[in-house]
Amino acid sequence: GQQLNQSPQSMFIQEGEDVSMNCTSSSIFNTWLWYKQDPGEGPVLLIALYKAGELTSNGRLTAQFGITRKDSFLNISASIPSDVGIYFCAGPPKAGSYQLTFGKGTKLSVIP
Amino acid sequence: ETGVTQTPRHLVMGMTNKKSLKCEQHLGHNAMYWYKQSAKKPLELMFVYNFKEQTENNSVPSRFSPECPNSSHLFLHLHTLQPEDSALYLCASSLQGVREQYFGPGTRLTVT
Repeated sequence: GQQLNQSPQSMFIQEGEDVSMNCTSSSIFNTWLWYKQDPGEGPVLLIALYKAGELTSNGRLTAQFGITRKDSFLNISASIPSDVGIYFCAGPPKAGSYQLTFGKGTKLSVIP
Repeated sequence: ETGVTQTPRHLVMGMTNKKSLKCEQHLGHNAMYWYKQSAKKPLELMFVYNFKEQTENNSVPSRFSPECPNSSHLFLHLHTLQPEDSALYLCASSLQGVREQYFGPGTRLTVT
């Protein structure tokens, strides 16, 4: 089945630093979603992207829909301890599908 | 803030037990989903319901039996599970035709 590759798998950063992570697919996606999951909780939707080249912000988070339609990027500026968690990208694996396939996630650790 | 609730949050059951997981959404959505989240694996879609009708069953073993009595409630009935079924089971909901899904906090299931 369709797979989404997220990188890096994990990262340790100092509080205050900016963070970048990405998600790639072998096929074209027409929607990209970014979620964050805290330990012991369900994923929370952060940002949704619907157009190639789209750049959308949610507070300190900014996500971009890659122009090739096969990738997406998530940036976090001025990280804080509560940014700790696992960040997942997701998208519909088939054109016209409303089901989602998820990446394995990027685990973020913030050192105070 | 989540409009999707799940009970119980934690469940330990023996392989011969029968138990049920419950999900309720307060978002006015009409599509509901069950996912399985295991360590080091992407979220796996199990079942999809649109307007109370099951539209997807992703090759899930029959020991998992979903029930959707109305658009706000979703159950997952469990019987004769295996230890490898231990995982976090997540419920999600969305508006039919919209890709943005909203997750509950999950039920952490341990099969002994």
